[in-house]
Amino acid sequence: QLVLTQSPSASASLGASVKLTCTLSSGHSSYAIAWHQQQPEKGPRYLMKVNSDGSHSKGDGIPDRFSGSSSGAERYLTISSLQSEDEADYYCQTWGTGIQVFGTGTKVTVL
Amino acid sequence: QVQLQESGPGLVKPSETLSLTCVVSGYSISSGYYWGWIRQPPGKGLEWIGSIYHSGSTYYNPSLKSRVTISVDTSKNQFSLKLSSVTAADTAVYYCARDGLVTSEYFDYWGQGTLVTVSS
Repeated sequence: QLVLTQSPSASASLGASVKLTCTLSSGHSSYAIAWHQQQPEKGPRYLMKVNSDGSHSKGDGIPDRFSGSSSGAERYLTISSLQSEDEADYYCQTWGTGIQVFGTGTKVTVL
Repeated sequence: QVQLQESGPGLVKPSETLSLTCVVSGYSISSGYYWGWIRQPPGKGLEWIGSIYHSGSTYYNPSLKSRVTISVDTSKNQFSLKLSSVTAADTAVYYCARDGLVTSEYFDYWGQGTLVTVSS
């Protein structure tokens, strides 16, 4: 079964960095994922696609301080130079033949 | 710039059918891509409902498949969602989004969402 696991919360100070993890279920370590940001009271916004080899492609207008990487079944989103507007929920998403799956989301707090 | 806008009734009675439409601007649906519906119950995470190709081919979430119909109208550059026999558990913000170019994969443009409440 295709499942994505995310930690419920993460925090870091203004100007620091934070690294979020999305873990693919057993047998699916080659899958690509996408990261989406959802600021309070807003709809989701596509950030980037992250492939199993760590390469990533960002959406329109996504700042350079957002980057993606991979290791085994884990996919990462790193936010550098944290800004107040980065305080949001971050969801990972993956797909198989005829199915889409979202992770449960990580709430990022900027201290 | 691709833009999507959801519309439809904000209140639906239990056992009735929820109907929403997503109008796309900045891109012609007939040119390609899958187009999807996703929902988010209050205070909870995202749940994929289903996706449709411009030709009409569909994929549905197995947990909702018996109640969901997604259709496309390329002449109006829009696609629609129907969810039958709704209950309070279907109360959510419903989003439409652009899916993959050749196959259903990830959503790269999202609408702002519309809240649908199921209540008598």
